[in-house]
Amino acid sequence: QKEVEQNSGPLSVPEGAIASLNCTYSDRGSQSFFWYRQYSGKSPELIMFIYSNGDKEDGRFTAQLNKASQYVSLLIRDSQPSDSATYLCAVNIGGTASKLTFGTGTRLQVTL
Amino acid sequence: DADVTQTPRNRITKTGKRIMLECSQTKGHDRMYWYRQDPGLGLRLIYYSFDVKDINKGEISDGYSVSRQAQAKFSLSLESAIPNQTALYFCATRGLNYGYTFGSGTRLTVV
Repeated sequence: QKEVEQNSGPLSVPEGAIASLNCTYSDRGSQSFFWYRQYSGKSPELIMFIYSNGDKEDGRFTAQLNKASQYVSLLIRDSQPSDSATYLCAVNIGGTASKLTFGTGTRLQVTL
Repeated sequence: DADVTQTPRNRITKTGKRIMLECSQTKGHDRMYWYRQDPGLGLRLIYYSFDVKDINKGEISDGYSVSRQAQAKFSLSLESAIPNQTALYFCATRGLNYGYTFGSGTRLTVV
């Protein structure tokens, strides 16, 4: 089992819809979770991070944690074509926030 | 200027050659990291450093070495490059909110 798993996609959603991206992790002791967006050929860009104490909303983005089932979700409301990118989930595996383990990413396509 | 600068942006080198990838940052962060990214494999940690005197191996350090010349500079070396080291390499720093800031990457091709 991989430490951080994501469906590679592509996930295709129409413009204006809600995109839901999921990530599962293996270490029940993980306490911080990160979502990065990466455009093709570019570097990852931090979108949101949450800790084990709760969900977080920032504009059109919401990150949710389900500790019992060990998965974290990213919801993108009112999806725009500019949201088309690969979304990387990262988790502090091993109980330390000093280094992160990344999933392989989910490619999102927002269609007109 | 970018917060995290990587040089070169692109490099083609021959098998067996030594090559150094450089990273410098202006964010004042102590913690720096080197990752490589391959299609289907995601980002994998090569080395990381918490300060000038603290260097740690990541999950795929074989064939690589690093040097932390100063708080702001962290270099990655391939002593004898091989074709399966062809990848996109990223340097990153970590700030107080635990999020990484990535450099723009170095695309390395070993022929």
